[in-house]
Amino acid sequence: DTAVSQTPKYLVTQMGNDKSIKCEQNLGHDTMYWYKQDSKKFLKIMFSYNNKELIINETVPNRFSPKSPDKAHLNLHINSLELGDSAVYFCASHYGVAMNTEAFFGQGTRLTVV
Amino acid sequence: TQLLEQSPQFLSIQEGENLTVYCNSSSVFSSLQWYRQEPGEGPVLLVTVVTGGEVKKLKRLTFQFGDARKDSSLHITAAQTGDTGLYLCAGLSGGSNYKLTFGKGTLLTVNP
Repeated sequence: DTAVSQTPKYLVTQMGNDKSIKCEQNLGHDTMYWYKQDSKKFLKIMFSYNNKELIINETVPNRFSPKSPDKAHLNLHINSLELGDSAVYFCASHYGVAMNTEAFFGQGTRLTVV
Repeated sequence: TQLLEQSPQFLSIQEGENLTVYCNSSSVFSSLQWYRQEPGEGPVLLVTVVTGGEVKKLKRLTFQFGDARKDSSLHITAAQTGDTGLYLCAGLSGGSNYKLTFGKGTLLTVNP
């Protein structure tokens, strides 16, 4: 059973389109994240949600809108896609706020904007 | 903004060699984690260090947290080809804005 699953794994789309990436975790975690990994492998946090509430928004453009319908899901919708949005997007989750809590990552969604 | 600097960025060694990867920050973190990422996969946690000066061992991997909780190192003894991957350190900021901040990673290639 996949703990954190993202769909789709690959997404190729044209500039200006709107697309969504879905994420689901079956671990019973209460916090979920979206990270963006650029071509240089730098993983940068975009959003975090705790119990469906937005906790962190790291100055991400308004074209990116996360939605958490319940604790197990965190989807990412992107409007008016730009070339610079091309990257691998990772969903992650964890439980609680202990200092040794482990974050579990999905396999990533490779987004290519052409 | 809390930043984590990792060095070296790239490392290519022969099987059997030892290596050390460094992770440095000007900020204090509640704890520090090391992850390993393989191509086409998400990062997977290797270890968490919490106490300043802490040393943890995971088979041939030794992790150390600096006394001031601003830096960490990962030492691999007798590297194997299976150790190849991207090693990421991540600093944890606790409290209500619980956040994991990643370094830029060290891409390790172990050649047979």
